[in-house]
Amino acid sequence: LAKTTQPISMDSYEGQEVNITCSHNNIATNDYITWYQQFPSQGPRFIIQGYKTKVTNEVASLFIPADRKSSTLSLPRVSLSDTAVYYCLVGAPAYYGGSQGNLIFGKGTKLSVKP
Amino acid sequence: ETGVTQSPTHLIKTRGQQVTLRCSSQSGHNTVSWYQQALGQGPQFIFQYYREEENGRGNFPPRFSGLQFPNYSSELNVNALELDDSALYLCASSLQQEAFFGQGTRLTVV
Repeated sequence: LAKTTQPISMDSYEGQEVNITCSHNNIATNDYITWYQQFPSQGPRFIIQGYKTKVTNEVASLFIPADRKSSTLSLPRVSLSDTAVYYCLVGAPAYYGGSQGNLIFGKGTKLSVKP
Repeated sequence: ETGVTQSPTHLIKTRGQQVTLRCSSQSGHNTVSWYQQALGQGPQFIFQYYREEENGRGNFPPRFSGLQFPNYSSELNVNALELDDSALYLCASSLQQEAFFGQGTRLTVV
């Protein structure tokens, strides 16, 4: 499974756009990129997943360049409630031979949003 | 609300004791995984069950064992507890590549 590298922490203010970049130089052809959010004393929560180019949902966008060696999670107009740890994960879905439940978490990026 | 529930939410045990943690997975999800999360670290994969069979294991000793039942609920058992076993234990049920986590069980070993 590909290893990921993220900044340990980031600070932002309410209303700003936050971009968190993740490096995954050894990403494999069948690997997808997935981001999770975790609040203290709660389980991680799925945010977004992508394979290439750009993916957008109601809470975030994910930008993946052509070489797929990095990805950027973009959170538009953050609020205080977005203060959390954000994890970038890389792995193949079960239908590509990956392990469906074996997710490899790093230490994540601790995002602090200030008023 | 993920539909994954864990019990108990908090637990205090003494070193050397045994503990059983329980997880009720989301309806229709036949894969359940368990993770250990120490303070300040990301979750670490313990093992995964698929249709009642262990289907993958992380770097944890045999005193960490599990069960999955026909209704896909699951248990994590830890024997001979050590102080370093103190952590948040997370259960996740999976559909495709998205995992749905419970709120976890905070285990403290004293």
